[in-house]
Amino acid sequence: EVQLVESGGGLVQPGRSLKLSCAASGFTFSNYGMHWIRQAPTKGLEWVASISPSGGSTYYRDSVKGRFTISRDNAKSTLYLQMDSLRSEDTATYYCATRLFAYWGQGTLVTVSS
Amino acid sequence: DVVMTQTPPSLSVAIGQSVSISCKSSQSLVYSDGKTYLHWLLQSPGRSPKRLIYQVSNLGSGVPDRFSGTGSQKDFTLKISRVEAEDLGVYYCAQTTHFPYTFGAGTKLELK
Repeated sequence: EVQLVESGGGLVQPGRSLKLSCAASGFTFSNYGMHWIRQAPTKGLEWVASISPSGGSTYYRDSVKGRFTISRDNAKSTLYLQMDSLRSEDTATYYCATRLFAYWGQGTLVTVSS
Repeated sequence: DVVMTQTPPSLSVAIGQSVSISCKSSQSLVYSDGKTYLHWLLQSPGRSPKRLIYQVSNLGSGVPDRFSGTGSQKDFTLKISRVEAEDLGVYYCAQTTHFPYTFGAGTKLELK
């Protein structure tokens, strides 16, 4: 059974950093591209970043480019999202998802507020 | 960015009724490999999104065949035959052909 478990969310002040993790199991993690998608409270879904199976290629939405870094550790079957210079508009539940959005985690809430 | 326009924004249905949701993209979603990366997701209340349909018409794992997807290029439809109570929630179309990936605004399916 495929499982994705996000962690690392919480309350953080504007301008500070946070690192999210997504622990994967039930499939060969190193074979698949992975994504981070977020959902602001009461809003729709917004793609944040993607990474290729090897980690050699990464893609970001413009609003997080230069502030967020997606990475992966295939030996640990774990996906990461390093979030720096956080802004209030980054407040959302962050989900990790597999290729073609086949499987999603339960999400982790990030609140950016002073 | 590819704009995904979903209609209607909400639907009120009776159990057993059939419904359709439309999703139109501002650009063709045919990728260079010839495949169309248009997917349908359902987010039930308080839950994570779940993929129902991938690449226009392929049923996701464990998804009942009451769900079906059709369309091509820029015009896509999700049909739900014989709505059941567990089908209630917000439906999203999503494209993974072009970066940045984008989602429709959602269609909320409620009980009449």
